Amino acid sequence: QKEVEQDPGPLSVPEGAIVSLNCTYSNSAFQYFMWYRQYSRKGPELLMYTYSSGNKEDGRFTAQVDKSSKYISLFIRDSQPSDSATYLCAMGNTGFQKLVFGTGTRLLVSP
Amino acid sequence: GAVVSQHPSRVICKSGTSVKIECRSLDFQATTMFWYRQFPKQSLMLMATSNEGSKATYEQGVEKDKFLINHASLTLSTLTVTSAHPEDSSFYICSARVRNDYGYTFGSGTRLTVV
Repeated sequence: QKEVEQDPGPLSVPEGAIVSLNCTYSNSAFQYFMWYRQYSRKGPELLMYTYSSGNKEDGRFTAQVDKSSKYISLFIRDSQPSDSATYLCAMGNTGFQKLVFGTGTRLLVSP
Repeated sequence: GAVVSQHPSRVICKSGTSVKIECRSLDFQATTMFWYRQFPKQSLMLMATSNEGSKATYEQGVEKDKFLINHASLTLSTLTVTSAHPEDSSFYICSARVRNDYGYTFGSGTRLTVV
């Protein structure tokens, strides 16, 4: 079993839809959770960073962490074609040096 | 915000030659940098952790003599792919950890093609 599981997609939605992206993990020591957006042939860009459980909102993006279920989510409201990219979840434990990444979910938002 | 500059963005080299990729932290000091490899439609695979002033720590299965990492200053880490072969063709990305900031910043990546 992988430490972090993420559906590779692709996930296709129409413009304006609410998008839900998810990751599950097995290591209960993970405390730090991140979401990255990666456009084709570019480096990942940090979107959201959360510590422990709870929600965090930034504009159209909301990150949720449920440590009891070992489940994290990224919600995108009013999705735009420019949101079309691969979204990677990443996580680390206290004092972490290395991040563990999901495989990424490819999102396609059609006009 | 923290910026990591990676060069070159794309390189084509002949089989048997060596290629150097540079990763610079532009507005912060990076005591630790990470080098990843990414195959098409796959996630990031950590190759090695580069610590300023000390030897890099390589992940299991990564040949340290083939992928030479040098982190000679707090703002520069380099990855040299030695005696490159077509199977080394991939997308290489560096990232840096800003001190006291748990967000990791990535470079823009280098697409290496070995012919």
